[in-house]
Amino acid sequence: EVQLVESGGGLVQPGGSLRLSCAASGFTFSSYWMHWVRQAPGKGLVWVSRINSDGSSTSYADSVKGRFTISRDNAKNTLYLQMNSLRAEDTAVYYCARDTAVAPFDPWGQGTLVTVSS
Amino acid sequence: SYELTQPPSVSVSPGQTARITCSADALPKQYAYWYQQKPGQAPVLVIYKDSERPSGIPERFSGSSSGTTVTLTISGVQAEDEADYYCQSADSSGTYPVVFGGGTKLTVL
Repeated sequence: EVQLVESGGGLVQPGGSLRLSCAASGFTFSSYWMHWVRQAPGKGLVWVSRINSDGSSTSYADSVKGRFTISRDNAKNTLYLQMNSLRAEDTAVYYCARDTAVAPFDPWGQGTLVTVSS
Repeated sequence: SYELTQPPSVSVSPGQTARITCSADALPKQYAYWYQQKPGQAPVLVIYKDSERPSGIPERFSGSSSGTTVTLTISGVQAEDEADYYCQSADSSGTYPVVFGGGTKLTVL
């Protein structure tokens, strides 16, 4: 069974940092592009970042460019999102998702909540 | 910026047909995808490449495309279909590789 499990969320002060992880299982992780998508409380889905299968190419939404860094460790089957200079507006549930030839987001993890507040 | 426009809400009675639209300039050139999200849960893919249905998704879910509008149709709506539905696509230039619509709340009356 394909499974994605996020972790690392929590409460952080404005200006702080946090690193999210997404542990993948049930598929050949190193063969797939991966994404991070976030959802602020009561709001819609917003794409954050993506990375290609070997980690050599990344893309970011303008809202996080220069502050967030996506990376992966194919030996550990794990995707990461390093978040620096966090702002209140970064408060959201962060989902990781696999990108397949069928669709960019299939499946999704269960999400991890990041709260930026003093 | 590039936007996908969805109606905020759609309401139907059980057994009726629900249609949720998503509009944007690049949709004639870019595939659209639909995701269902129930409260407290992660999104689930229900339609890919405009009109294809993943395995495990009920046949009552279908997708279509016409010009700058794509439509998610749910025939014979059931109470369990009450959820938020998001379309997703990209612009034609590559500047915005991933964009989500604002979401549509489907209410089953």
